[in-house]
Amino acid sequence: RKEVEQDPGPFNVPEGATVAFNCTYSNSASQSFFWYRQDCRKEPKLLMSVYSSGNEDGRFTAQLNRASQYISLLIRDSKLSDSATYLCVVNPSGPYNNNDMRFGAGTRLTVKP
Amino acid sequence: DVKVTQSSRYLVKRTGEKVFLECVQDMDHENMFWYRQDPGLGLRLIYFSYDVKMKEKGDIPEGYSVSREKKERFSLILESASTNQTSMYLCASSYPLAGEQFFGPGTRLTVL
Repeated sequence: RKEVEQDPGPFNVPEGATVAFNCTYSNSASQSFFWYRQDCRKEPKLLMSVYSSGNEDGRFTAQLNRASQYISLLIRDSKLSDSATYLCVVNPSGPYNNNDMRFGAGTRLTVKP
Repeated sequence: DVKVTQSSRYLVKRTGEKVFLECVQDMDHENMFWYRQDPGLGLRLIYFSYDVKMKEKGDIPEGYSVSREKKERFSLILESASTNQTSMYLCASSYPLAGEQFFGPGTRLTVL
């Protein structure tokens, strides 16, 4: 079983749609969680951190469910510019050690006009 | 604005060649990382460094070595390239306790 699992997609949605991705992780002791965004042929960039209480940034909402060991990313009112691959990242070693980040393989989103 | 640069965007080498991939960051970050990214596998850590001349193995160090002689520069070395090292190589840097890593644009290496 992979440490971090994501549905690879692709998710094809129309502009304005709401779309949600889930990511499951295997290490129940994991401490820190993130979503990164990677555009085609570009480097990953941090989209948002995921806190225990959830995190909202504009149209993006991230949630953590420790009991079921998954994190989610919700995108409301999708824009064409949201088309990208979304990487789920889990740090099993806690906030004082960022040398052990575990990356999912990514979920690809395409937003169509 | 944080900048991580990598020496080449595309590289083609032959089996058995020695390959150097260079990475430079301008944010005075202590930590630097080398990952490879393959379809369906996500990013996998090859090596990281938390200080000059310090290095630690990641999950897949076999066939690779690294060098960090200056804080801003972290090099990945393939001593004898093999076809299974064909991949996208991403360098990253960060502060020690930070969750965010800053990535370079990547080097797509093809070993023939």
